Amino acid sequence: DVQLVESGGGLVQPGRSLRLSCAVSGFIFGDNAMTWVRQGPGLGLEWVGLIRGKPDGGTTEYAASVKGRFTISRDDSKRIAYLQMNNLKTEDTAVYFCVRGGEWELPDWGQGTLVTVSS
Amino acid sequence: DIQMTQSPSTLSAFEGDRVTITCRASQFIFSWLAWYQQKPGKAPKLLIYKASTLVSGVPSRFSGSGSGTEFTLTISSLQPDDFAIYYCQQYNGYPVTFGQGTKLEI
Repeated sequence: DVQLVESGGGLVQPGRSLRLSCAVSGFIFGDNAMTWVRQGPGLGLEWVGLIRGKPDGGTTEYAASVKGRFTISRDDSKRIAYLQMNNLKTEDTAVYFCVRGGEWELPDWGQGTLVTVSS
Repeated sequence: DIQMTQSPSTLSAFEGDRVTITCRASQFIFSWLAWYQQKPGKAPKLLIYKASTLVSGVPSRFSGSGSGTEFTLTISSLQPDDFAIYYCQQYNGYPVTFGQGTKLEI
């Protein structure tokens, strides 16, 4: 079975940094794009960005709202995807989901990890 | 960016009803559209992709149609488990965008 488990969320002050991790199992990690989607409290889904798999160059795409502040990376040997979040703002408060896929539909989601940005 | 607009925002219905949710794209997106179901405190679940292809294991009462800029999700006979929030998502280009959601309630 496909499993994605996010970790690293928590309370952080504005302007600080946080790194989320997504550990996966049940599929060939290196061949798959990985996407991050977030959901603010009581709000809808917002695409954050993706990293392509090695066969597609491992390149990244980002939403305008996070570009220059967030970085998505991956360690294929550890089967982990990362979301490095710098210069956090209160509007970044959300549940962050790690998702298998990215170029097409998004079939497999983690349970999410809550990031709260507050002083 | 491609804007996705769902209607209605909230839909009240009864068990056994046939309901339809509409999703409109601000640009032509061919059939690159997916539908998701989300229940409180849970991750979204993919129901339909490429506008009309049902994910394996999803009940056949769910169906999707449309292409270009207008799409629909239909549930033919509502079951208690179907009351949730539904989102459409376009993946014709970046950034990927979602509709604002439709809350299906009793």
